Amino acid sequence: DAKTTQPPSMDCAEGRAANLPCNHSTISGNEYVYWYRQIHSQGPQYIIHGLKNNETNEMASLIITEDRKSSTLILPHATLRDTAVYYCIVKSPGSEKLVFGKGTKLTVNP
Amino acid sequence: GAVVSQHPSWVICKSGTSVKIECRSLDFQATTMFWYRQFPKQSLMLMATSNEGSKATYEQGVEKDKFLINHASLTLSTLTVTSAHPEDSSFYICSARGIPSGQDGTYYGYTFGSGTRLTVV
Repeated sequence: DAKTTQPPSMDCAEGRAANLPCNHSTISGNEYVYWYRQIHSQGPQYIIHGLKNNETNEMASLIITEDRKSSTLILPHATLRDTAVYYCIVKSPGSEKLVFGKGTKLTVNP
Repeated sequence: GAVVSQHPSWVICKSGTSVKIECRSLDFQATTMFWYRQFPKQSLMLMATSNEGSKATYEQGVEKDKFLINHASLTLSTLTVTSAHPEDSSFYICSARGIPSGQDGTYYGYTFGSGTRLTVV
C-alpha cells in the first residue's frame, strides 16, 4: 500500500490556521491524496482530496507540492470542534482500498 | 450530500451469539462497500471489500466464516459477526464508494458510516 507519513500530534490555538503536513514520496502519477478526520468515537469524515492542483472547499485547503511527494492540509480558522485525528491517505495504484495510517492527532486549544 | 447510515450504533451481545450490522447508502448507489474495525487508540483496519452481487474480498488474517458480509444491493451491505467472543468487541465502521462527484459537486467517493460499537459479554 502507498505509504504516507504524518506527525503523530500537533497543537493549534483556536482561531489560528492549522497546517497539517503529509509526506507521500511513493505516490504514483494518477493517484489522489485524500484527507479524512475522525472525531472520537465517530466514523471518519471526508475533508478534501486532490491530484496535483491545490484544492479548496468549505472545510479546508489542500496544498500539493509540484513533485506530489508531499501535501499540507490547511484549516484556516481552527475551532475547538476541529480537534480530531486527521488522516492523509494515498491508495496503491489500481487499488480501490483506502488504507488508514496512524494519522495526526490535532488538538485545538482555547 | 452523501450519507451512509449504519445501524445499530451500539450493541451488547452475549458470547456465542451472532450480531448483524447494516450499512446503507441513502442518496447514492455504492459500487463498492468496505468494512473496517477499530480497536481503542488504534487506527482503522480494513477487514473486507465487497461489491454488489459478488463475494467479499477479505484482508489477510480476517476470518471470512466469522465475519459474514452480504452486499445484496447497491445501497445495502451487512456484516454479521458470528459466534461473537469478547475479543470481537470493537468499533466497526463501514464505507461506501459511489460515483466520485455528483452533478452539484457533492462528493460521493468514499463516505463512512457513523460506526457500531460492539461489546461482547
